[in-house]
Amino acid sequence: DAMVIQNPRYQVTQFGKPVTLSCSQTLNHNVMYWYQQKSSQAPKLLFHYYDKDFNNEADTPDNFQSRRPNTSFCFLDIRSPGLGDAAMYLCATSRDWGFADTQYFGPGTRLTVL
Amino acid sequence: AQSVAQPEDQVNVAEGNPLTVKCTYSVSGNPYLFWYVQYPNRGLQFLLKYITGDNLVKGSYGFEAEFNKSQTSFHLKKPSALVSDSALYFCAVRDMNTDKLIFGTGTRLQVFP
Repeated sequence: DAMVIQNPRYQVTQFGKPVTLSCSQTLNHNVMYWYQQKSSQAPKLLFHYYDKDFNNEADTPDNFQSRRPNTSFCFLDIRSPGLGDAAMYLCATSRDWGFADTQYFGPGTRLTVL
Repeated sequence: AQSVAQPEDQVNVAEGNPLTVKCTYSVSGNPYLFWYVQYPNRGLQFLLKYITGDNLVKGSYGFEAEFNKSQTSFHLKKPSALVSDSALYFCAVRDMNTDKLIFGTGTRLQVFP
């Protein structure tokens, strides 16, 4: 019954080695989000897609990129991970981009950078 | 600016006792408020939301929240706490200018047997 799926759940990479995190959804939602969460802090929005329209947050580093090849899948690419990028990465979806729309989160991918 | 505040970093309660996790908000216009729970090494799970209507909102796992416009609060409550309720709880408000979710800093709930 999983609705938002993230793979892998745990990812270990080396400093500077590119890494890709995956998110898929079975909800057929229009909007997909990527958040970064450090040390039980509030999640920080990195970017979101409304359908194929990409929206980057102003303070998201250029090191972070995203792809959404179709409605179901969205990827987070970290081109050159630094130690400061170690975090939990959360994918979320919502049916639409509206005030009342609920965001549904995946289980997260915990990224470790060695 | 739109914001939410969770004034308690941690709440401790004995199993079987009622619990309250506090949240206050500051928005221009009508607020759209959400509660999420996060278990260790998991994503956020949606509990409930207030959009309009009844001030008492019922959600998942026996949780409810009371919207109080005069006090600008949206406290999460449960009549009888379970040890399994121990987790990190986030209150969030929809930013009317950007449509983004603004999260509070989180409150860790610890339920003791």
